[in-house]
Amino acid sequence: GAVVSQHPSWVICKSGTSVKIECRSLDFQATTMFWYRQFPKQSLMLMATSNEGSKATYEQGVEKDKFLINHASLTLSTLTVTSAHPEDSSFYICSAAPSGSTDTQYFGPGTRLTVL
Amino acid sequence: GQQVMQIPQYQHVQEGEDFTTYCNSSTTLSNIQWYKQRPGGHPVFLIQLVKSGEVKKQKRLTFQFGEAKKNSSLHITATQTTDVGTYFCAGRSGQAGTALIFGKGTTLSVSS
Repeated sequence: GAVVSQHPSWVICKSGTSVKIECRSLDFQATTMFWYRQFPKQSLMLMATSNEGSKATYEQGVEKDKFLINHASLTLSTLTVTSAHPEDSSFYICSAAPSGSTDTQYFGPGTRLTVL
Repeated sequence: GQQVMQIPQYQHVQEGEDFTTYCNSSTTLSNIQWYKQRPGGHPVFLIQLVKSGEVKKQKRLTFQFGEAKKNSSLHITATQTTDVGTYFCAGRSGQAGTALIFGKGTTLSVSS
């Protein structure tokens, strides 16, 4: 149980295009999902907290107009990188906190984004 | 804002030696979690500590949460090559449902 999937697992796009990444909790409902990015050999940096049915909360320094987050249901959150540039190339990982659970988070496998 | 610091950044050991990574938070934590990430993989949850002074064991791994709930450690006894990876601590200072703040991780390499 407690599986989180991400799609796509990797994507290569041209500079200026937008990319949507999906995060799904497959066997549980998640009121809250988190989006992280990770640069090579570095730690996970929290980008935003996504709550079902409400606006996401962005961490300081993260542009909400560039990283659009939509948490449309209890099993799906999406991150859209708008007008992607090479500096947006990174590993994006989501995690989901089961509804009603106090402190557990389950991580997705991540999405490798490369912007040319 | 809340910061979570982790040392050392890298550690190389011979197989059979022990290994310890330390985690310190700038604020009191409600709980702390530990994750392991293999090269090319995603973080995998290892354990959560909640109580002041708590100690938990998983086979050769021992996890401690400090009395002040601001520091934690992970100790591996008699390392094996399968222990290779990056170990992250992640702390939460707010109420349930708030995000974890990750340390920078300790990358462990083990030579046989």
